[in-house]
Amino acid sequence: EPEVTQTPSHQVTQMGQEVILRCVPISNHLYFYWYRQILGQKVEFLVSFYNNEISEKSEIFDDQFSVERPDGSNFTLKIRSTKLEDSAMYFCASSIREGRGTGELFFGEGSRLTVL
Amino acid sequence: DAKTTQPNSMESNEEEPVHLPCNHSTISGTDYIHWYRQLPSQGPEYVIHGLTSNVNNRMASLAIAEDRKSSTLILHRATLRDAAVYYCILRDKGGADGLTFGKGTHLIIQP
Repeated sequence: EPEVTQTPSHQVTQMGQEVILRCVPISNHLYFYWYRQILGQKVEFLVSFYNNEISEKSEIFDDQFSVERPDGSNFTLKIRSTKLEDSAMYFCASSIREGRGTGELFFGEGSRLTVL
Repeated sequence: DAKTTQPNSMESNEEEPVHLPCNHSTISGTDYIHWYRQLPSQGPEYVIHGLTSNVNNRMASLAIAEDRKSSTLILHRATLRDAAVYYCILRDKGGADGLTFGKGTHLIIQP
């Protein structure tokens, strides 16, 4: 069964460093998402991406965050200068069609980011 | 997206049916009812969704009240692998793209 894959599974970084989290969505999917989950808290929406541009973002997704689909298969989340509060599990998701209403999202296993 | 209310936790025995309730009294006519679950240390997983009619798939059934102000996710025969947090989420077809997760219901399965 096709799945969303994420790398790395765990990354430890120093505060202020740049981090790139990578995702390979399901191949025929068109809509891509990043979510995060701070330990013990709710899953939070960060950003959605379609047709090579951001279609929606939450207030969490500030200027320190960016997303890119550099080569038609990978979908990346970059955090320019990490802060302690960026420590979380980051989930990538994809959907074959628009998530609104009926679209089913497929999530990856997540990338755990620890900022020291 | 309209708000949903779920019990914080529920407990059931293995191989018995489980009924997970969700209240959504402010649901609008264009809101779809989605259920996702999150197994321990994993990403969320789609379970089922519906609009007005009851729905069945290989994972579960979704029973939607006639007034649509509540719904119930039914696991027909729970296994230990069904222990997870279950999220009931309303998705407006014309609204925001991102899923809004609440705290969900923590389902505990006893062997």
